[in-house]
Amino acid sequence: QQQVKQSPQSLIVQKGGISIINCAYENTAFDYFPWYQQFPGKGPALLIAIRPDVSEKKEGRFTISFNKSAKQFSLHIMDSQPGDSATYFCAASDNDKIIFGKGTRLHILP
Amino acid sequence: NAGVTQTPKFRVLKTGQSMTLLCAQDMNHEYMYWYRQDPGMGLRLIHYSVGEGTTAKGEVPDGYNVSRLKKQNFLLGLESAAPSQTSVYFCASSYGAGVNQPQHFGDGTRLSIL
Repeated sequence: QQQVKQSPQSLIVQKGGISIINCAYENTAFDYFPWYQQFPGKGPALLIAIRPDVSEKKEGRFTISFNKSAKQFSLHIMDSQPGDSATYFCAASDNDKIIFGKGTRLHILP
Repeated sequence: NAGVTQTPKFRVLKTGQSMTLLCAQDMNHEYMYWYRQDPGMGLRLIHYSVGEGTTAKGEVPDGYNVSRLKKQNFLLGLESAAPSQTSVYFCASSYGAGVNQPQHFGDGTRLSIL
């Protein structure tokens, strides 16, 4: 049973455009929703995270939008840059562990 | 400050061989995790530990064993390697779980089973 569904699987965006990645979850007990960024040959690293009592969180060009009633959340990357090309994972956490989505491979065209 | 270090970085095994992957963290984290990453499958939790001497099963534990004898180390063992275990293995650690407790990942071990 896939508890965190992520889409799209891959995404190509022009430099300067907005990249949007969507995730949906099933378990209402999740209380923490992080996004991780992974570059080739490296481990994932925390990018930004949100709690379910907040509808939006912004850090620089990265914004998480959270819709608790719909059990959906999304990552928006404004003014996308070639250096943002990476794989992005949404995740949801409760108790001891984190459940990851399957990832989105983002490519920013120069 | 090295963070999370995984050893080895690459390994090729023959079916039926055994091996141990080592994860070491120098951040005094209580929680440690082992994941496998396969194309199109994301990160799947194999086993995890919430403190020294404890272990628990994750989503895909079959064929793997773990030990956490020291707080800073988390070992992942394959007793009899199978081609289906060809994957990239990531170790992670954190102070705790949930809100504001990010996991810190190593750079992975690329394992091929022939």
